[in-house]
Amino acid sequence: EPEVTQTPSHQVTQMGQEVILRCVPISNHLYFYWYRQILGQKVEFLVSFYNNEISEKSEIFDDQFSVERPDGSNFTLKIRSTKLEDSAMYFCATGTGGYEQYFGPGTRLTVT
Amino acid sequence: DQQVKQNSPSLSVQEGRISILNCDYTNSMFDYFLWYKKYPAEGPTFLISISSIKDKNEDGRFTVFLNKSAKHLSLHIVPSQPGDSAVYFCAGNAGGTSYGKLTFGQGTILTVHP
Repeated sequence: EPEVTQTPSHQVTQMGQEVILRCVPISNHLYFYWYRQILGQKVEFLVSFYNNEISEKSEIFDDQFSVERPDGSNFTLKIRSTKLEDSAMYFCATGTGGYEQYFGPGTRLTVT
Repeated sequence: DQQVKQNSPSLSVQEGRISILNCDYTNSMFDYFLWYKKYPAEGPTFLISISSIKDKNEDGRFTVFLNKSAKHLSLHIVPSQPGDSAVYFCAGNAGGTSYGKLTFGQGTILTVHP
């Protein structure tokens, strides 16, 4: 069964550094999403992306964050200057345009 | 943001019995609801969904019930199996301009004892 993959599984970075989290969507999916889950909290929507542009973003998704699909396969989330409070599990999800979204295993980001 | 609430942090059930997981919502704009299951160190796995125009959807051992007037949905698992032990999240989707955005509850940890 096709699945969403994410790399790396765990990223440790120092405050102020840039990180790029990568996602490979399911091959016929055209809708892409990022969510995050801070330890002990809910899974929160960050951004949705379709046709090479952002469809919707949450108030969490400020100017420090950006997304792109650089090569037609990977879907990336960049955090320009990480803060301690960015430490979380980041989940990529993809879909065909229906209501269901299919999640990757997540990247654990630890900012020290 | 308490648009979706799962008031029971955990539920413990004997193998073979029914598990009932509950979810309440406040956003009247939700027109689709989804249940996800999550094992440790994995991402949420889509389980079952229901449109707001229906009151029941069934898939094998899993049935979701929607009571729109009460803004309440529930997931029934029968019979429960030890492999069902996981965190279960309900999520709402408002469609329209928020078509892609899922709003999740806090999750309920289900433990099924052999």
